[in-house]
Amino acid sequence: DQQVKQNSPSLSVQEGRISILNCDYTNSMFDYFLWYKKYPAEGPTFLISISSIKDKNEDGRFTVFLNKSAKHLSLHIVPSQPGDSAVYFCAAKGKSGGYQKVTFGIGTKLQVIP
Amino acid sequence: KAGVTQTPRYLIKTRGQQVTLSCSPISGHRSVSWYQQTPGQGLQFLFEYFSETQRNKGNFPGRFSGRQFSNSRSEMNVSTLELGDSALYLCASSLGLDRVHEQYFGPGTRLTVT
Repeated sequence: DQQVKQNSPSLSVQEGRISILNCDYTNSMFDYFLWYKKYPAEGPTFLISISSIKDKNEDGRFTVFLNKSAKHLSLHIVPSQPGDSAVYFCAAKGKSGGYQKVTFGIGTKLQVIP
Repeated sequence: KAGVTQTPRYLIKTRGQQVTLSCSPISGHRSVSWYQQTPGQGLQFLFEYFSETQRNKGNFPGRFSGRQFSNSRSEMNVSTLELGDSALYLCASSLGLDRVHEQYFGPGTRLTVT
């Protein structure tokens, strides 16, 4: 049961354009959402996060939008750069069975074409 | 400051065997979390240790266990290995408990079960 879904396994974008990565979740108990970036042979690195009480958080070229009613979040990268080519994981944090758990999506591979 | 280190980086085991993976967190970090990454399931949370105690856990069978030492180093053990345990095992450290947005990941241990 995938509680965090990234339905696009890959995405190709031209350099300078906007990249939009999407994520859907099913568990309404999630209260904190994160995006991670992962390069091959490295562990994921934290990119940006958003609390469930907000609908937008911006950090430089990266903006995360949260639509709680639709249980949907998205990551916008503007402008996209070749160095942004990586796998992006969406993650959600919430309590389940008395424990805090982090649930990740399966990732979207972004390729930024120069 | 040295990053999170994981040993070994690669491991090949046979079904039925057991394996122990090691994680050394960033100096000063007291929380260590473990994740399993597979192509079909993405990153799945295994457990989190803080001050030598398991504080949070995911939905994995009892064959997966861990421990944390007084210097915050952590080990993960998988007993009676199955083919489906083949995965990249990632460890992440943070200063405190439940600080997901401040986690730093190691490069992972690639486990292959034959």
